[in-house]
Amino acid sequence: GENVEQHPSTLSVQEGDSAVIKCTYSDSASNYFPWYKQELGKRPQLIIDIRSNVGEKKDQRIAVTLNKTAKHFSLHITETQPEDSAVYFCAADDQTGANNLFFGTGTRLTVIP
Amino acid sequence: GAVVSQHPSWVICKSGTSVKIECRSLDFQATTMFWYRQFPKQSLMLMATSNEGSKATYEQGVEKDKFLINHASLTLSTLTVTSAHPEDSSFYICSALAGYGYTFGSGTRLTVV
Repeated sequence: GENVEQHPSTLSVQEGDSAVIKCTYSDSASNYFPWYKQELGKRPQLIIDIRSNVGEKKDQRIAVTLNKTAKHFSLHITETQPEDSAVYFCAADDQTGANNLFFGTGTRLTVIP
Repeated sequence: GAVVSQHPSWVICKSGTSVKIECRSLDFQATTMFWYRQFPKQSLMLMATSNEGSKATYEQGVEKDKFLINHASLTLSTLTVTSAHPEDSSFYICSALAGYGYTFGSGTRLTVV
């Protein structure tokens, strides 16, 4: 199955700075890569996603880049705000036919006011 | 958008008893439901994938006789934790593939005492 690795596990930035979280995946057939934000005890919320036919996608302060050759994708948050503080998970689907979604280990982002 | 309703949101049970968690797709048909378990400060780990009308597919290391999954209709999937023990205490969350992406239930915090 798919193996997703995520770094860093914790990240602290000053308000207004940028934050970058990186993930790698193992299954070259994966073609869907979502990013989720999860607050304590709540369901993951999709913040942005990208498919393998696209190299970059942006939505206001959030962007995701995908390098299929290297099998890695990254989340970029610009102009960070305290409300961006949460745990962020990357994920990748597998193409075995089951459409399973495998998650990275998570990054706890803290934005310091 | 697609909504998955998960109940209960939290449950406390005695060791040795069974607990049932329900996930309902409210405005779409969920052919496939994914069940995840999340321990504190850890990632979401896929436990099993259920398809309507057929047996669930369990991930390696997940006991199928302990975690019974039923997906009898296109709108309802249930996870029953049988003979629960304190080590089963966790956050359980379901997810369904809905159109473009995945939609998550709100999660169930299970505490076994």
